[in-house]
Amino acid sequence: GQNIDQPTEMTATEGAIVQINCTYQTSGFNGLFWYQQHAGEAPTFLSYNVLDGLEEKGRFSSFLSRSKGYSYLLLKELQMKDSASYLCAVRDHGAGGYNKLIFGAGTRLAVHP
Amino acid sequence: EAQVTQNPRYLITVTGKKLTVTCSQNMNHEYMSWYRQDPGLGLRQIYYSMNVEVTDKGDVPEGYKVSRKEKRNFPLILESPSPNQTSLYFCASSREGEETQYFGPGTRLLVL
Repeated sequence: GQNIDQPTEMTATEGAIVQINCTYQTSGFNGLFWYQQHAGEAPTFLSYNVLDGLEEKGRFSSFLSRSKGYSYLLLKELQMKDSASYLCAVRDHGAGGYNKLIFGAGTRLAVHP
Repeated sequence: EAQVTQNPRYLITVTGKKLTVTCSQNMNHEYMSWYRQDPGLGLRQIYYSMNVEVTDKGDVPEGYKVSRKEKRNFPLILESPSPNQTSLYFCASSREGEETQYFGPGTRLLVL
């Protein structure tokens, strides 16, 4: 089957670094995404990994290990505006050529002064 | 401006009263999807469409219908809404071969 696990909640201090983990099980892995979602708003794309390793984009980095079914999102120099939910999503290559996105339940991050 | 729009943004209705939530994108994207988001469950796909006149069920299609008569529009139809369809709904679109899905602003539905 398909399963994505990530912590429900995390807290961190402004200026610090936080790592949000995601583990997944899927039959036709074709990439892993991280989205940010502020309360009541639409998810917005943060990062995409399809090969093993680290992808860095400013204060945000994302890591993937396909053999371990594991990814993490690293947020550096935390700011108050980073308080949001972070969604891990796996793209699954299904029948008919459609690449389906399967989302985890999300990790709610609270950044404190 | 490239965007996905949804209407209405907020809707309160009663059990059994048919409703339609519209979704439109101006990016000429092939793929469009509908998701619902419920606390603790994350985003779950209801239906998706790979192109005009091509639609298929997602993970939670029961109680919903869709159509894709034009590339830009992908309405979600609830023929007989029930309280368990109270949720936050998102439409999303993407281009074939591209990584990113673009989400609409969401429609918050309450079925009494």
